[in-house]
Amino acid sequence: GQNIDQPTEMTATEGAIVQINCTYQTSGFNGLFWYQQHAGEAPTFLSYNVLDGLEEKGRFSSFLSRSKGYSYLLLKELQMKDSASYLCALRAGNTPLVFGKGTRLSVIA
Amino acid sequence: DTGVSQDPRHKITKRGQNVTFRCDPISEHNRLYWYRQTLGQGPEFLTYFQNEAQLEKSRLLSDRFSAERPKGSFSTLEIQRTEQGDSAMYLCASSHESPGQPQHFGDGTRLSIL
Repeated sequence: GQNIDQPTEMTATEGAIVQINCTYQTSGFNGLFWYQQHAGEAPTFLSYNVLDGLEEKGRFSSFLSRSKGYSYLLLKELQMKDSASYLCALRAGNTPLVFGKGTRLSVIA
Repeated sequence: DTGVSQDPRHKITKRGQNVTFRCDPISEHNRLYWYRQTLGQGPEFLTYFQNEAQLEKSRLLSDRFSAERPKGSFSTLEIQRTEQGDSAMYLCASSHESPGQPQHFGDGTRLSIL
């Protein structure tokens, strides 16, 4: 089976940097995805990591360490609109994604 | 490309009734997924199709739930004899077959059982 753990809630200040961690256990690791979900809306794709290292996409970056079963999502220059839930999702083999419970981020002025 | 669309957006029904939801995926995607999401949780996998073939069903999926994708395009999810615990957001997603391709989600159908 697969297990994903991420913090339930985080708060950060507008303009700051925040790091959302995700740890996982799985066999047959085949990729880790990050999604953003605003309240009442669909999840939207942010990033994908399958090899170790950092993937940067504008204000958002995602890091993966397969040996440690660890990923993080880094958000820079936080804006109020970044207040949302951030979902870590795992793929093992060619199976459908397994999602964590999500981290609810609140950005305050 | 209009994205993944789901219908209806909201459904309120009495316990014991049957409900059916529809999902229209992105047209060039051959995989289609159904998830269920409750408040404070991530999406929970229910079932998925590759073209018209249903490849996997969650062990958590009761036999009251059935899904079809008859022509490999749109899909329907039916819940028979609904129960209070079925109240949730039902999300549909589609993707290409390749493992690195992200799933694109529709806005979901919110089901409320009275």
